[in-house]
Amino acid sequence: GIQVEQSPPDLILQEGANSTLRCNFSDSVNNLQWFHQNPWGQLINLFYIPSGTKQNGRLSATTVATERYSLLYISSSQTTDSGVYFCAVGGTSYGKLTFGQGTILTVHP
Amino acid sequence: DAGVIQSPRHEVTEMGQEVTLRCKPISGHNSLFWYRQTMMRGLELLIYFNNNVPIDDSGMPEDRFSAKMPNASFSTLKIQPSEPRDSAVYFCASSWDRTYEQYFGPGTRLTVT
Repeated sequence: GIQVEQSPPDLILQEGANSTLRCNFSDSVNNLQWFHQNPWGQLINLFYIPSGTKQNGRLSATTVATERYSLLYISSSQTTDSGVYFCAVGGTSYGKLTFGQGTILTVHP
Repeated sequence: DAGVIQSPRHEVTEMGQEVTLRCKPISGHNSLFWYRQTMMRGLELLIYFNNNVPIDDSGMPEDRFSAKMPNASFSTLKIQPSEPRDSAVYFCASSWDRTYEQYFGPGTRLTVT
């Protein structure tokens, strides 16, 4: 099956800093999603981005499908950005997703 | 629109008891997924359905686990008998075939003592 690798595994920032999270995957995909799991455990959709670039406020994401990676950019980080960021990818099988192990982000005030 | 609905949100039970977790997908979605999350194993896909039909249950850990989807708006995950190692957060997610974008419910935190 598809392998998904996220880096870095942990990231500690001061409020206001910028960061880049990376997701590498081992095969061509039809679906790529970024999720944020907040400290209460909720999995929140950030981006559906099998290719191209999208922006939503302070967050943006880019997927280069031909090179099998995706990047999530967080600018001017806030303490509420803390949590775990997951990348998940899917092929053609009814939308089945394979998740990476996540990046744990901690933003200090 | 309501998102994916799961119940109960928390369940505490004793070893050997039957546990039933419930999920209502987003209206119009035709795929439903059950996941389990633990610190040790991360997020694991247990089983998924398309148009109410189970497609792949290879992630179900053992025969004590079973899942059903009797109609497009309801699914259950049952554990019988439950064991302490089943303690985890169980998520349900749904999507539709146009985009495959998955949306997750709030999860059920299961504790088996």
